[in-house]
Amino acid sequence: ILNVEQSPQSLHVQEGDSTNFTCSFPSSNFYALHWYRWETAKSPEALFVMTLNGDEKKKGRISATLNTKEGYSYLYIKGSQPEDSATYLCASSSNTGKLIFGQGTTLQVKP
Amino acid sequence: EPEVTQTPSHQVTQMGQEVILRCVPISNHLYFYWYRQILGQKVEFLVSFYNNEISEKSEIFDDQFSVERPDGSNFTLKIRSTKLEDSAMYFCASSFDSGRGFSDTQYFGPGTRLTVL
Repeated sequence: ILNVEQSPQSLHVQEGDSTNFTCSFPSSNFYALHWYRWETAKSPEALFVMTLNGDEKKKGRISATLNTKEGYSYLYIKGSQPEDSATYLCASSSNTGKLIFGQGTTLQVKP
Repeated sequence: EPEVTQTPSHQVTQMGQEVILRCVPISNHLYFYWYRQILGQKVEFLVSFYNNEISEKSEIFDDQFSVERPDGSNFTLKIRSTKLEDSAMYFCASSFDSGRGFSDTQYFGPGTRLTVL
């Protein structure tokens, strides 16, 4: 059974601050790691899917790294803006495509 | 941009009643999923569906639950006799089949909030 954990649970930063949070997952039987951004009352939005150790992906001011050997991924936001306020979910795939989610990190960016 | 849609956005029902949650996946997608999030808990997998049959289900997905793709566009989740503990946000998701299912992006709908009284 996969257990995916995220930290911190919540984060409050000032506009312009850079921030990062962590997703840890069992490194055995790893297939892929997914990051989602979820604003209240909206669909979770897919950010990245990463499969290879050392993968780095970037989308605007958001980037992510993957370490499959030690079982963690970092999500970075450079120069946070109020519109970045959301819950960020990570999920590890099983080989069948089933997603196992962490509990999410809720980010609040104050203007 | 294509998106997954779900109806209704909120459903209130009495314990023991049947509910059907509806989803319209993205049109060229072949894999369909239901997940749910009970308030304060993690999003959890319920079932995946491919080629008109269930490909995997969790232990939560017991005989009270069923899924169906009644036509070429809709994907439904039925709960036959709802319990209080079924109250949750239910998400539908779909993905394209690239042949490497575990790395295909799953696109989520906005969810249906089910409240069982």
